[in-house]
Amino acid sequence: NAGVTQTPKFQVLKTGQSMTLQCAQDMNHNSMYWYRQDPGMGLRLIYYSASEGTTDKGEVPNGYNVSRLNKREFSLRLESAAPSQTSVYFCASRGSGAWLDKNIQYFGAGTRLSVL
Amino acid sequence: KNEVEQSPQNLTAQEGEFITINCSYSVGISALHWLQQHPGGGIVSLFMLSSGKKKHGRLIATINIQEKHSSLHITASHPRDSAVYICAVTGTASKLTFGTGTRLQVTL
Repeated sequence: NAGVTQTPKFQVLKTGQSMTLQCAQDMNHNSMYWYRQDPGMGLRLIYYSASEGTTDKGEVPNGYNVSRLNKREFSLRLESAAPSQTSVYFCASRGSGAWLDKNIQYFGAGTRLSVL
Repeated sequence: KNEVEQSPQNLTAQEGEFITINCSYSVGISALHWLQQHPGGGIVSLFMLSSGKKKHGRLIATINIQEKHSSLHITASHPRDSAVYICAVTGTASKLTFGTGTRLQVTL
């Protein structure tokens, strides 16, 4: 049971380059999330998708775009990477069934991104 | 002021010690979560609670809704408990707001 799978695990970019972080979940969850984690700060929400075909901005959306390709996949794109986007990125998903399942988020292993 | 505050930020304990990590929040919530992040980076959910107390093995989580405070206790700590422990709350629109984490190091 894979859960939430993120690729790549590590990436180094030069300023101005673009890349897409991939995320897929096999738990049939409706909601998916992208967070970034920076030293000394809690995880911050970049974008989320409450269901297939919908996306919404989170706390720190600037410089990012997302695509909810289907129910399983939610990708995060950096069109023109900047050093301020150096961070660890986490994808998560959440179900919408019974109350317990509705509130727990399941996280991927993270992508460590450095922008030089 | 952050909506979710954790203390301490860093904690070092010797094996076998009883450990307490605290979390205070300032917003209305439907649930509070304790998460664990190991040095490898992965994040796993330990507890989700909205009232009272939950126990899993050597871990105990409590919440006091009136005081907007939760504690995570680890009994008989072990070096494998070394990790970052993160408190998060579920607020509006089922979004999570995270604390900055408590880094725990348990030594032999």
